Amino acid sequence: SQQGEEDPQALSIQEGENATMNCSYKTSINNLQWYRQNSGRGLVHLILIRSNEREKHSGRLRVTLDTSKKSSSLLITASRAADTASYFCATDMSGNQFYFGTGTSLTVIP
Amino acid sequence: GAGVSQTPSNKVTEKGKYVELRCDPISGHTALYWYRQSLGQGPEFLIYFQGTGAADDSGLPNDRFFAVRPEGSVSTLKIQRTERGDSAMYLCASSLIWGNEQFFGPGTRLTVL
Repeated sequence: SQQGEEDPQALSIQEGENATMNCSYKTSINNLQWYRQNSGRGLVHLILIRSNEREKHSGRLRVTLDTSKKSSSLLITASRAADTASYFCATDMSGNQFYFGTGTSLTVIP
Repeated sequence: GAGVSQTPSNKVTEKGKYVELRCDPISGHTALYWYRQSLGQGPEFLIYFQGTGAADDSGLPNDRFFAVRPEGSVSTLKIQRTERGDSAMYLCASSLIWGNEQFFGPGTRLTVL
């Protein structure tokens, strides 16, 4: 079963609006990463947040991590049509495995 | 240098055949990962290499799947006696060390007829 689950599965917004997607996971982690995947292409790393961090920013991206709730959120501000993609969270587990969630499909309407 | 490359980009084979998928990681990256992604799903972890050794191969679905990284750089994922259920996108990624951001290749789309 998937370690991470994103919510919502699909999100459609107007250009300029903010997009928020959430990730829940099941076991303790060392870090959590967010990736973007454009249709038919490889994944691109967006941001990494460690288990001892609560919030991290990168450009228009803001990531939060709540280890007590085993959840993370990704906020994209002032969305653009080019942000249209699938977004995945990935968590490392004890051992040497990485688990990706099922993804949120974001559509930004120009 | 260049990013992660994977060859071939597409592979069509018949049920029962043997296939090899190649991954060239970013130079200097010690960690290499293989994933499998089906349509509409997230990548599924298969195996992780640290240097030449497979640090974790618990994600390999069965003994038909095997991967090597003999010199700690290029890796090959080998699938024996392919089945239709093996059809998927196979992704390779590398990172400087375990736990750092992963750089993904474009993937190999495997179709088993």
